[in-house]
Amino acid sequence: DVKVTQSSRYLVKRTGEKVFLECVQDMDHENMFWYRQDPGLGLRLIYFSYDVKMKEKGDIPEGYSVSREKKERFSLILESASTNQTSMYLCATLGTGTDTQYFGPGTRLTVL
Amino acid sequence: GENVEQHPSTLSVQEGDSAVIKCTYSDSASNYFPWYKQELGKRPQLIIDIRSNVGEKKDQRIAVTLNKTAKHFSLHITETQPEDSAVYFCAGYNYGQNFVFGPGTRLSVLP
Repeated sequence: DVKVTQSSRYLVKRTGEKVFLECVQDMDHENMFWYRQDPGLGLRLIYFSYDVKMKEKGDIPEGYSVSREKKERFSLILESASTNQTSMYLCATLGTGTDTQYFGPGTRLTVL
Repeated sequence: GENVEQHPSTLSVQEGDSAVIKCTYSDSASNYFPWYKQELGKRPQLIIDIRSNVGEKKDQRIAVTLNKTAKHFSLHITETQPEDSAVYFCAGYNYGQNFVFGPGTRLSVLP
C-alpha cells in the first residue's frame, strides 16, 4: 500500500517568511509532484520531479522552488511567502510506467 | 496542451437518486481518465478510471463512460448515499505528459 505523507497538515506563516513543505513516500516511485488546490480552479501543477536532483516547472512555478535530494523526499519551498500563496498544497507520486497517482493528505497553508 | 472542463460545479441530489458528472478534454492523445473523490479534509482518492480503448467501466454503484469522438467522459453514481457527498474531480493523462485536472464538482446527497 502506497504511503505518501506530508510534514504538516496545517501551517500559518507571515508574509516574507521562507516556508518548507515536505513530502515523503515509501513506494520507490520515481515521479513526484506538487500541486496547489484552490476552490473552482482544481489542482494546478507547481513543480514535478522524475528523478533525484531532477525538477521540472509545472504550470504555476512562480514564487516556488523545489528540492529532491533523495528519491523518497520532495520538498516545496516558498522563498518569500505572500498572501496569494494561501492554499491547500498536495503532493503526489507516480511510478514509472504506471498511471495511478497517489496523493498525500495535504497541507493547508495560510499566509498572514 | 490538454484542457479539462468539468460540469456541473455543484450538484445536489436526493438520497437514492443518480448523479452524473461530465468532463470534456481537448487533447485527443490523452488515453487515461481517472476520477477522484475528495472528502472534506482528506486526500483525493482514486475511485474509478478508464482507458481510451474502453467505452465503459463499472464498479458496483459507480460507472464511467468515455466517448472518444466527442472527447468527453462521465461519472455515474447510482443509488446515492450520504457518504457519497464529496468533491469529485476528473483528469486527463497521456503517458509522458502530466495529469490535467478538472476544477471539481461538489456533490451533496440530501437525506
